[in-house]
Amino acid sequence: KNEVEQSPQNLTAQEGEFITINCSYSVGISALHWLQQHPGGGIVSLFMLSSGKKKHGRLIATINIQEKHSSLHITASHPRDSAVYICATQTSGSRLTFGEGTQLTVNP
Amino acid sequence: DTEVTQTPKHLVMGMTNKKSLKCEQHMGHRAMYWYKQKAKKPPELMFVYSYEKLSINESVPSRFSPECPNSSLLNLHLHALQPEDSALYLCASSQFLGQPQHFGDGTRLSIL
Repeated sequence: KNEVEQSPQNLTAQEGEFITINCSYSVGISALHWLQQHPGGGIVSLFMLSSGKKKHGRLIATINIQEKHSSLHITASHPRDSAVYICATQTSGSRLTFGEGTQLTVNP
Repeated sequence: DTEVTQTPKHLVMGMTNKKSLKCEQHMGHRAMYWYKQKAKKPPELMFVYSYEKLSINESVPSRFSPECPNSSLLNLHLHALQPEDSALYLCASSQFLGQPQHFGDGTRLSIL
């Protein structure tokens, strides 16, 4: 069974700080997703990775397939980045295995 | 703005009521998903449709009945729900199975 673990569970930062959220998983996967969920519901897909590194604006996601580990970095953090960040792995077909999420709070 | 539209945004219903949740996408995606999310927990997969056919049913109780009348629309019919069914219900779609999923904003359901 694939276990997906995220750390930290909660993270508080000051505006402008560099933020890292980590995700580890236990089995081989076909892809890994980073998702963002703001209070009130909607989920936004940030990245889908199968190898290497992707960048979008101030967000960077990396994955190390051999070490079964991924990181999400936020540069120059801003209060509007406050949200829950969820790592989800895809092993076959359509099933995603979700981590418990990281609650990020960025204070002005 | 999300490209996956869910209605209603909020729903309060009694245990004897019958209601439906609706999900719509116009991106030409052929896979659609229903998830249930309890507070401070990750989403749990309920159903997956591929090309309008039910592909996955994660042993969901029969009081939840999905329907995919066409490639753009996914419904979730609700009947005789229990208080523990109160949750956020999220719809998602992807171009095909295994492709990145686009999520809607969800319907927050409360069962009295």
